[in-house]
Amino acid sequence: RKEVEQDPGPFNVPEGATVAFNCTYSNSASQSFFWYRQDCRKEPKLLMSVYSSGNEDGRFTAQLNRASQYISLLIRDSKLSDSATYLCVGTGGTSYGKLTFGQGTILTVHP
Amino acid sequence: EAGVAQSPRYKIIEKRQSVAFWCNPISGHATLYWYQQILGQGPKLLIQFQNNGVVDDSQLPKDRFSAERLKGVDSTLKIQPAKLEDSAVYLCASSSFAGAETQYFGPGTRLLVL
Repeated sequence: RKEVEQDPGPFNVPEGATVAFNCTYSNSASQSFFWYRQDCRKEPKLLMSVYSSGNEDGRFTAQLNRASQYISLLIRDSKLSDSATYLCVGTGGTSYGKLTFGQGTILTVHP
Repeated sequence: EAGVAQSPRYKIIEKRQSVAFWCNPISGHATLYWYQQILGQGPKLLIQFQNNGVVDDSQLPKDRFSAERLKGVDSTLKIQPAKLEDSAVYLCASSSFAGAETQYFGPGTRLLVL
């Protein structure tokens, strides 16, 4: 079983839609979680951190449920520029600072 | 602030040849990472350095891959000999310290092994 699992999609949504991505992790020792965004043929960039109390940044909301080992990302009022791959990421495990990436979920927002 | 620099950006080689990639992290960043990203997958950590010491190389195929960060600044990753399955993007990242919330990635080197 992969340490971090995501639905690869693709998700195709119209502008203005709300879309949610889910992610599960298997390593209960993982300390921190993040969502990274990766544009086509570009490097990953940190989108936001994920906390048990929830984390909101504009149209983006991330949530962590440690009991269920489940992470989510909600995007409201989707924009064309939101089209990208969204990578669910956990840390911890055998070495401090090691990031374990999920496969990524592809989002395409169309007019 | 300059970002993480990598070179070359693209490389095409034949199987069994060797290849080397170079990375210069953000100035002052103590921790440097090399990731391999195969098409359709998330990045996978190959090796993590803290200054010039190796912290984690558990997923580095040591029979063909090697990496060094001799002076604790820039780093090279080498593959010798290359196999077809090594075709991937090799990403270098750095952070101010191990466990820092943000890792900054370079643009990557796209390797195609024929």
